[in-house]
Amino acid sequence: DTAVSQTPKYLVTQMGNDKSIKCEQNLGHDTMYWYKQDSKKFLKIMFSYNNKELIINETVPNRFSPKSPDKAHLNLHINSLELGDSAVYFCASSQERRGVGRGYGSEQFFGPGTRLTVL
Amino acid sequence: RKEVEQDPGPFNVPEGATVAFNCTYSNSASQSFFWYRQDCRKEPKLLMSVYSSGNEDGRFTAQLNRASQYISLLIRDSKLSDSATYLCVVRTISSNTGKLIFGQGTTLQVKP
Repeated sequence: DTAVSQTPKYLVTQMGNDKSIKCEQNLGHDTMYWYKQDSKKFLKIMFSYNNKELIINETVPNRFSPKSPDKAHLNLHINSLELGDSAVYFCASSQERRGVGRGYGSEQFFGPGTRLTVL
Repeated sequence: RKEVEQDPGPFNVPEGATVAFNCTYSNSASQSFFWYRQDCRKEPKLLMSVYSSGNEDGRFTAQLNRASQYISLLIRDSKLSDSATYLCVVRTISSNTGKLIFGQGTTLQVKP
């Protein structure tokens, strides 16, 4: 009964390849996120979807394309992989409460991460 | 300047010690504040929210000083199982959308 799951857990690939990471949450949350954690351990948001609508799109190369087929799934496709894409990618979800701005924010639950290594 | 700054450590302390971590944030319009915990090669998990009045959860006490834009976490009677990286997290609003900004984390190693 995993809350937020990601596949694959490990991904080793060559530069220039295209790869996808999948994420699913069974918490009934309305908002999902992709984060990147680099070798210096900084965790940075990349994208966020609320009810399948893209609401956060940070300065990320357009080689990264998220897709949310429904509010329980958020996938990340990466084209033309580069060495600098090597990192751990975390999916997360939350139920945004009503309040100031887009919800007042509640706890984010993270998936186990996908460790991407580009050779 | 980073939006959320923490001393990365590591902090090496003996079991039973009291240890304090500090964090500063740059955006005065930040709304909500949290401490997350991340074990080695695992995902971050919420440890506790931080309220203006200060709050306590067992051995853990969190404080917020909005005027100084400063957040702290105090751990009393450290256990071996407290060894982890502690992430200071701030929620900000941008274009009517909230997002979490994570600090680099402070690593704690509790030794027997």
